[in-house]
Amino acid sequence: SQTIHQWPATLVQPVGSPLSLECTVEGTSNPNLYWYRQAAGRGLQLLFYSIGIDQISSEVPQNLSASRPQDRQFILSSKKLLLSDSGFYLCAWSDKGSTDTQYFGPGTRLTVL
Amino acid sequence: AQSVTQLGSHVSVSEGALVLLRCNYSSSVPPYLFWYVQYPNQGLQLLLKYTSAATLVKGINGFEAEFKKSETSFHLTKPSAHMSDAAEYFCAVSPAWGKLIFGQGTELSVKP
Repeated sequence: SQTIHQWPATLVQPVGSPLSLECTVEGTSNPNLYWYRQAAGRGLQLLFYSIGIDQISSEVPQNLSASRPQDRQFILSSKKLLLSDSGFYLCAWSDKGSTDTQYFGPGTRLTVL
Repeated sequence: AQSVTQLGSHVSVSEGALVLLRCNYSSSVPPYLFWYVQYPNQGLQLLLKYTSAATLVKGINGFEAEFKKSETSFHLTKPSAHMSDAAEYFCAVSPAWGKLIFGQGTELSVKP
C-alpha cells in the first residue's frame, strides 16, 4: 500500500531564516505531487504541483519554491522566511488516473517568529 | 472558473442527531467531487468521492453524499452523529486533470 511521509512534523523558525520541508511517497511510482498551505481559518491553498521530476508548476507567487529531485520526493523551500509563511503545510499525491483522488500526508506545522 | 462553496463554517449537532454539511459547486463540466475530513493537526483523509458512477455515494465512518446536478450540490450526511465525528470537513471539486479546488471547510462540533 501507498504511504506518504512529511517531516519535520513541527518547526519554529525566525524571520529571515531558510526553510526546507520534505515529503516522500512510498508504494507508487511517477505520482503527481502537491504542496498546500493551510492558514488558520482559510482553507487549503495549492502552492505547487508536479507531474514528474523537475516538472513543477507554481500556483501563486510567493516566497517559496519547490523541487522534485527524485520521483517520489518533493521538497518545499525558502531562502528567507516571512511571518506570513506560518501555517500548516500539507503534501499530497495522486495517481495519473482518471479520478484525481489526492492522498495527504500528516502535515508540517510551521511557525515563523 | 470552478469553485466550491460550503455553507456554514461551523455546524454543531447533538450526539445521535443527523449531520448535514452543505456543499455547492460551480463547474462547466460534470465534475469529480470529494469530501475530506481533517482531525486537529492531521492531514486530510478521504471520506468519499463522486465519479459519475452513482449519485448516492457511500463513504467511510457511515457518511454518504448525494450528487444533485440540478442543484449543483453535493451535501454530506450521516444519520447519527458520534463524538468522534468532530472534525473539519472539506468539500472539493476536480475541475481539471490533477487538480482539486477546496471549499473553505466546515467545522463540525458534536455535543454530548
